[in-house]
Amino acid sequence: DQQVKQNSPSLSVQEGRISILNCDYTNSMFDYFLWYKKYPAEGPTFLISISSIKDKNEDGRFTVFLNKSAKHLSLHIVPSQPGDSAVYFCAASDSGGGADGLTFGKGTHLIIQP
Amino acid sequence: DTAVSQTPKYLVTQMGNDKSIKCEQNLGHDTMYWYKQDSKKFLKIMFSYNNKELIINETVPNRFSPKSPDKAHLNLHINSLELGDSAVYFCASNELAGYQETQYFGPGTRLLVL
Repeated sequence: DQQVKQNSPSLSVQEGRISILNCDYTNSMFDYFLWYKKYPAEGPTFLISISSIKDKNEDGRFTVFLNKSAKHLSLHIVPSQPGDSAVYFCAASDSGGGADGLTFGKGTHLIIQP
Repeated sequence: DTAVSQTPKYLVTQMGNDKSIKCEQNLGHDTMYWYKQDSKKFLKIMFSYNNKELIINETVPNRFSPKSPDKAHLNLHINSLELGDSAVYFCASNELAGYQETQYFGPGTRLLVL
């Protein structure tokens, strides 16, 4: 059973608008969440993270929101730019933010249209 | 019915030893990857195989040797283990449908070199 789910395989957004990528999880022991961005033929690169003691973390154009009661997090990108076109992975950890391993979702392919 | 499996999940070994990590995917994908996750949660691509052929070989020590006996398996053998090899290693397989790429990650292997 998938513990981290990204139910939208792809998402198309117009340049300049807001992109919202969603992620749901089932394991209530997860306490640290991350978003990775991946271009074709490259490894995922870390984008932004959030600890379960927070409900929002912002870094430039990227904001991650965490709703623990709903076991849901989302990544907002605003304004969306062409270079944001990539696959975005949600990942979760139950090791208190340590590097003890992550559980990944399957990814959402974000396409930014001009 | 795990899609991408890795064994072992945990590996503790002495410096200088040789060890292998196995990865298997039952998704019928042609492409598989090995990633190394460092303590800051960055994922670095190490190798990529497409249908048993090596297509990406990033700058890793030649103590690391991938082996793909068939397209469902991509094993990682590490000779003369060093302290700096301690990390979490992720295997992944790739599905490419048109321009949409979906990557399926294994659960990770936590390697600790003493």
